[in-house]
Amino acid sequence: GENVEQHPSTLSVQEGDSAVIKCTYSDSASNYFPWYKQELGKGPQLIIDIRSNVGEKKDQRIAVTLNKTAKHFSLHITETQPEDSAVYFCAASKGFLNSGNTPLVFGKGTRLSVIA
Amino acid sequence: NAGVTQTPKFRVLKTGQSMTLLCAQDMNHEYMYWYRQDPGMGLRLIHYSVGEGTTAKGEVPDGYNVSRLKKQNFLLGLESAAPSQTSVYFCASSYGGRREKLFFGSGTQLSVL
Repeated sequence: GENVEQHPSTLSVQEGDSAVIKCTYSDSASNYFPWYKQELGKGPQLIIDIRSNVGEKKDQRIAVTLNKTAKHFSLHITETQPEDSAVYFCAASKGFLNSGNTPLVFGKGTRLSVIA
Repeated sequence: NAGVTQTPKFRVLKTGQSMTLLCAQDMNHEYMYWYRQDPGMGLRLIHYSVGEGTTAKGEVPDGYNVSRLKKQNFLLGLESAAPSQTSVYFCASSYGGRREKLFFGSGTQLSVL
């Protein structure tokens, strides 16, 4: 089955700097790659996602890039702010719930701390 | 519109006790999921449901049972709790038009002593 590796496990940045979190996946058939943000005491929330037919996607200060050949994708946060402090999870899926495929497989998470 | 609501929020059990976690969603979503979150392990899928009356096993189903008798509810049962089931449990749901976008509840912190 799919295996998703996420690095680093913890990341500290100064406010205003950029943060990058990287994930690799094992199944070349995976075609959907979301990123979830989990604030303290809350459930994860989808912040951005990308499909395998796209190489990059941006939404204000966050962006995701995908390299299908290398089977890795990354989350980029620019101009970080204290409210960006949270745990971030990457995930991967192939044919979500089609033909018996299971739902998302998550990475182990990255705890991002933005220091004011 | 409350979204996904989990009850209880906290629970302490003794080894061997049983309990049921309730997940309710008011978004008319077809798909529902139970995940557990452990330190350093991320989110792992326990069971899921693609519609009322259906359930399927996820990555770590052993020791858990589920039921989806009503579309809006998804119950997770522990018949004989073990310390290894100490975890934070998250329920999520999604809808057919965008089934891969999961909406999560706020979690249940379960401790088994």
